[in-house]
Amino acid sequence: GAVVSQHPSWVICKSGTSVKIECRSLDFQATTMFWYRQFPKQSLMLMATSNEGSKATYEQGVEKDKFLINHASLTLSTLTVTSAHPEDSSFYICSARGEQTQYFGPGTRLLVL
Amino acid sequence: AQSVAQPEDQVNVAEGNPLTVKCTYSVSGNPYLFWYVQYPNRGLQFLLKYITGDNLVKGSYGFEAEFNKSQTSFHLKKPSALVSDSALYFCAVRDPYTDKLIFGTGTRLQVFP
Repeated sequence: GAVVSQHPSWVICKSGTSVKIECRSLDFQATTMFWYRQFPKQSLMLMATSNEGSKATYEQGVEKDKFLINHASLTLSTLTVTSAHPEDSSFYICSARGEQTQYFGPGTRLLVL
Repeated sequence: AQSVAQPEDQVNVAEGNPLTVKCTYSVSGNPYLFWYVQYPNRGLQFLLKYITGDNLVKGSYGFEAEFNKSQTSFHLKKPSALVSDSALYFCAVRDPYTDKLIFGTGTRLQVFP
């Protein structure tokens, strides 16, 4: 099946710093990628939809200036959490759309101290 | 509005017994339905999908799901459960208007030896 990778798998940072998370589709091209956030024991919350070569579309309530998304190529999307705060601590999961199916990365656990 | 319901927070089953994880949906038009599995601290793994064709869909790891249009259901099944099947299972439907996946709240499957 199609493989989506994420890097890093976990990161600890100080409050006020920025963190970049990479999402790659390894064996297919994805014009559309998605970024989700998952709180403990909850379902996935869609943060934004990323289209290659254009601006991301953010869901209501998600701050676009805080969660910067770049989709510069058909295999790479990045999420940068700017000026991170403890409340940004979460599990972030990316997804890439293949043919009729979305495939998910393994997730990135972010802890902001 | 499009929606997915997973009525059971948890399903317990003995190893070797058949398992069923329930999912019902509400969507305009023909549904695109998906099942994903999530292991602890991991992203979602694609199990199977229904787009069109046979109502019984076979997927990864011996799982299958039956699309029932009249009952608007897409229950996940496996004839003989394994302890290693213990995980969190998500049903999802693609919103035909936005192309986004709408997830159920997840069902935790616990298989006991």
